[in-house]
Amino acid sequence: GESVGLHLPTLSVQEGDNSIINCAYSNSASDYFIWYKQESGKGPQFIIDIRSNMDKRQGQRVTVLLNKTVKHLSLQIAATQPGDSAVYFCAENYGGSNYKLTFGKGTLLTVNP
Amino acid sequence: DSGVTQTPKHLITATGQRVTLRCSPRSGDLSVYWYQQSLDQGLQFLIQYYNGEERAKGNILERFSAQQFPDLHSELNLSSLELGDSALYFCASSRRTDGRDQYFGPGTRLTVT
Repeated sequence: GESVGLHLPTLSVQEGDNSIINCAYSNSASDYFIWYKQESGKGPQFIIDIRSNMDKRQGQRVTVLLNKTVKHLSLQIAATQPGDSAVYFCAENYGGSNYKLTFGKGTLLTVNP
Repeated sequence: DSGVTQTPKHLITATGQRVTLRCSPRSGDLSVYWYQQSLDQGLQFLIQYYNGEERAKGNILERFSAQQFPDLHSELNLSSLELGDSALYFCASSRRTDGRDQYFGPGTRLTVT
């Protein structure tokens, strides 16, 4: 199938800690993965992406890890800040005849001051 | 601000009615994607247009239709509305056709009473 799911629906961390948000995908043909952040009342905002020929990619305070063997994706946020509080979605995409993004259900990250 | 605009921000209507949601993509983006976000289904891809032509279809109901105009703005038409159509509707735009590099608008919240 084309399901993309998240292991944890909620995650609560202390300010300054590192956060790890996980995602499992089922389509081994997916070749592009994205993490989006959605704050309350806003649309999804691109955070970072990774192609299937990579296993790690780093951005500013964020790192995405891809394990194709177990079809697992994770988003690591370093030194989590209150402004990081949001719902985080992973999404997968594959070429061929279907160009859509398939989103996971989302994880709510709450950062406690 | 993603550069994608959507109107209206909120819409309240009754069952059986028809509404039109509008999306203006980022300058230079030829692709427009429509998504529905509900509490139980998450973000679901509805349809994609590229330079005025339908490109890909997702879980879009027959009561729903969309189009993209020569100036590249897009409209999503929802008819014979049901209570279950209450959701957030997002559009996203991209310079690409393959589903990647999508920038989301702020969404339209539709409430069907």
